[in-house]
Amino acid sequence: GDSVTQMEGPVTLSEEAFLTINCTYTATGYPSLFWYVQYPGEGLQLLLKATKADDKGSNKGFEATYRKETTSFHLEKGSVQVSDSAVYFCAFISSGSARQLTFGSGTQLTVLP
Amino acid sequence: KAGVTQTPRYLIKTRGQQVTLSCSPISGHRSVSWYQQTPGQGLQFLFEYFSETQRNKGNFPGRFSGRQFSNSRSEMNVSTLELGDSALYLCASSIGHRDANTGELFFGEGSRLTVL
Repeated sequence: GDSVTQMEGPVTLSEEAFLTINCTYTATGYPSLFWYVQYPGEGLQLLLKATKADDKGSNKGFEATYRKETTSFHLEKGSVQVSDSAVYFCAFISSGSARQLTFGSGTQLTVLP
Repeated sequence: KAGVTQTPRYLIKTRGQQVTLSCSPISGHRSVSWYQQTPGQGLQFLFEYFSETQRNKGNFPGRFSGRQFSNSRSEMNVSTLELGDSALYLCASSIGHRDANTGELFFGEGSRLTVL
């Protein structure tokens, strides 16, 4: 069935380090892909999205490219900040009839000063 | 513009009781979705409402139900509570399109339910 596999956490980095969080999906058709972020004590917020193959979503220095050939949507940031500490969720919504957002398990990121 | 508001934020119930959670979406948003978040299962989709109609439903037992009112506010109800129902229940709203959910959701901070 449809699913999202995310890199296991937690991930701990020093400030200004490079970040990659891997995400792969299994879905029928041509899903739209998303990264959501959950800061401590808050609800989830949409970070970026991509709706078709080779699209690059970007926001707040984060980027992810929709790779259909590898069914991946890895999240990257060139230089993380302490304020980026949060849980990151990869998600997709399928193009089929059951258009519900399916989330990965989340990756806890801690950035140390 | 006010965000998604969920009430209550925290509640404690005992097994066998029932609970009702409320969600007020962002003004103008017509779609409301509910998710259960637990450490073990992550985020799991419960149901989605659009214009007072349930448009989509996740794989949860019938003890979990919901509804949406004409002002787009939504409630979810869990009857005969079990220990395993302890979770953060998240509500999310979106502008909503008649044909389908776009996946761009605005989440509330959640209602944390503890079942003893």
